[in-house]
Amino acid sequence: DTGVSQDPRHKITKRGQNVTFRCDPISEHNRLYWYRQTLGQGPEFLTYFQNEAQLEKSRLLSDRFSAERPKGSFSTLEIQRTEQGDSAMYLCASSPRTGRHQETQYFGPGTRLLVL
Amino acid sequence: GIQVEQSPPDLILQEGANSTLRCNFSDSVNNLQWFHQNPWGQLINLFYIPSGTKQNGRLSATTVATERYSLLYISSSQTTDSGVYFCAAGNRGAQKLVFGQGTRLTINP
Repeated sequence: DTGVSQDPRHKITKRGQNVTFRCDPISEHNRLYWYRQTLGQGPEFLTYFQNEAQLEKSRLLSDRFSAERPKGSFSTLEIQRTEQGDSAMYLCASSPRTGRHQETQYFGPGTRLLVL
Repeated sequence: GIQVEQSPPDLILQEGANSTLRCNFSDSVNNLQWFHQNPWGQLINLFYIPSGTKQNGRLSATTVATERYSLLYISSSQTTDSGVYFCAAGNRGAQKLVFGQGTRLTINP
């Protein structure tokens, strides 16, 4: 089993630019999550997909943020008109549909975003 | 929503010592996970333990769901155990995990 992968691993952008991150979950995991982690803090939930349906969104996910999972496999997280406060590590996780550990979330390596 | 608190925030020990990290949560949970975050930011799964006790090598964890706390034990600490340990909990009906602030563990040689 390959783990959760994320691309890019690092992104530096200027304020006002748009950025898009990709997450590939563990194969056959139908649940996919996005979290954000700022320096010195624990990760905070952003949004959750079951297959292609986005079932839960945090109030942290402002109008400038949009996430998709069009075919129920990989997911993208887009941030429009980036602000310096968006600088953080963006983490993706997936969990299986069934099985003994169906609640267990497995995390990818993250995308570290720096907005100048 | 559920709240998760970890203690202590920082722990500095000598190699070979044992350590206990605590996680308190404010509501009943159907998901409780312990992670180790490595220096590159990767969250490594240690335990999925909404209740009971599990052991994996030098690490073990116990969750007492009725009293709303979980403990992570590390025995015979090694310098490679250094890093931040997170506890994260989820309620029934909610898929998201709520993370604590973490415990930063430093093991000195």
